[in-house]
Amino acid sequence: DVKVTQSSRYLVKRTGEKVFLECVQDMDHENMFWYRQDPGLGLRLIYFSYDVKMKEKGDIPEGYSVSREKKERFSLILESASTNQTSMYLCASIPGQANQPQHFGDGTRLSIL
Amino acid sequence: GDSVTQMEGPVTLSEEAFLTINCTYTATGYPSLFWYVQYPGEGLQLLLKATKADDKGSNKGFEATYRKETTSFHLEKGSVQVSDSAVYFCALSSGTYKYIFGTGTRLKVLA
Repeated sequence: DVKVTQSSRYLVKRTGEKVFLECVQDMDHENMFWYRQDPGLGLRLIYFSYDVKMKEKGDIPEGYSVSREKKERFSLILESASTNQTSMYLCASIPGQANQPQHFGDGTRLSIL
Repeated sequence: GDSVTQMEGPVTLSEEAFLTINCTYTATGYPSLFWYVQYPGEGLQLLLKATKADDKGSNKGFEATYRKETTSFHLEKGSVQVSDSAVYFCALSSGTYKYIFGTGTRLKVLA
């Protein structure tokens, strides 16, 4: 069974800090995603990666960057955290073909004070 | 662009009641459709899927039928349990790597 592991379940950081959220998947999936989930807004795509070192912006990339140095690991970086980035962050992966169901991690609930 | 609309919650039901959560979509082409469930404090888990018109996805007593003529994918369960309390998301994928999610419907089942 596919396992997507996010490094932290809960994280509290301060405004202006550089924040790293890590995601690892164990099924050799080519494609990985970062979403943020906010009440009433559903899931919004931040970034998507379709291969090592390859990335595409999603719907809300501002204030975020990503890194994919190894196939199994996809990192989300908040360059200078702000309070409006307080949210639940979800990582997901799928194998090479499109239209496959996504496999999600348990999420990181991030609070920026 | 593509979109998913699902009924707003919360939906509160008594145990053993019949459940329907409505989901309609707008998409070009022939999307795949999904229902995900999110239990408190967890990520999303795939509940069921359908990849073409008239397909019926089913799992754990939940069912949904891909209706192209009405662009709908309503989730149903004949008899809900307290353990079904969760947030349910309808989603589509239309041939690219972009997935569109509804805003989620919270279900609360009372004993």
